[in-house]
Amino acid sequence: QSALTQPASVSGSPGQSITLSCTGTSSEVGSYNLVSWYQQHPGKAPKLIIYEVSKRPSGVSNRLSGAKSGNTASLTISGLQAEDEADYYCCSYAGSSTSVVFGGGTKLTVL
Amino acid sequence: QVQLVQSGAEVKKPGASVRVSCKASEYTFTRYAMHWLRQSPGQRLEWMGWINAGNGNTKYSQKFRGRVTITRDTSASTAYMELSSLRSEDTAVYYCARDIVGEILGGVIDAFDLWGQGTMVTVSS
Repeated sequence: QSALTQPASVSGSPGQSITLSCTGTSSEVGSYNLVSWYQQHPGKAPKLIIYEVSKRPSGVSNRLSGAKSGNTASLTISGLQAEDEADYYCCSYAGSSTSVVFGGGTKLTVL
Repeated sequence: QVQLVQSGAEVKKPGASVRVSCKASEYTFTRYAMHWLRQSPGQRLEWMGWINAGNGNTKYSQKFRGRVTITRDTSASTAYMELSSLRSEDTAVYYCARDIVGEILGGVIDAFDLWGQGTMVTVSS
C-alpha cells in the first residue's frame, strides 16, 4: 500500500509558526476529507489533534490548525511552545481496499 | 475517566502467537469500533484492523489478513488482538484505538480519538 510523505524533521523557535506537510495522491488525501493528525511524545501513545482535515477535538489548542489542497494536507502550529516538541503523523482514509495509510512522521524540534 | 488499558509486554519466540487485550472504561463499549495498530521501532504507524464492538463485524488490513484475529467480549468491555506465526519483524508496540465516529458503517475510517497506552511485543529466539 502507498504511504504518505512527510518531511523527516522541522524546527522552529518559540513563538514562531511552522507548517508540516503531508503529501499523498488522488487515491487517498486527494479523494477524501478524512485526513487526521497525531502528536506523539517519546514513549507515549499518539494523541489525535486534528481530524477530518481541519477539525480539532475538544481540549486541543486552537494554536493548531489543519488544511488540505489537492493531494497535500498540512498542519500549522502557531506560537510554538516547548511542549510542542514531538513527532507528528498524518493519516488518511484510502478507500475500502486499503483502508488507511500513515505518513512516516515529522520530528518537530523547538529550538 | 474514559480510557483504554492494554495488557502488559510480551516476549514470544518465532512461530508463536500473541494475544493483546484492551479494556475500555467509562464509555459505552458497544457503540464504538475498536482499531488495532502497531509501530515498529523507528517506523511509521500501521493499521491492522477493526472490530465493531456492537455487532462483532471485523475488517483486516490485507498485510495481516490470515494472521490477525480481532475479537471482543462485550460483558468485559474488552477487545482482543491475536497475531499468529510471529516473526522478528513483528516486534513492535501494539495499540488499540477507538474510532471517533462510533460504529463503522460501509468500511469508512475517520480517525482514532482514544488510544491505549501500548503493548510492547518482542519476537526473539
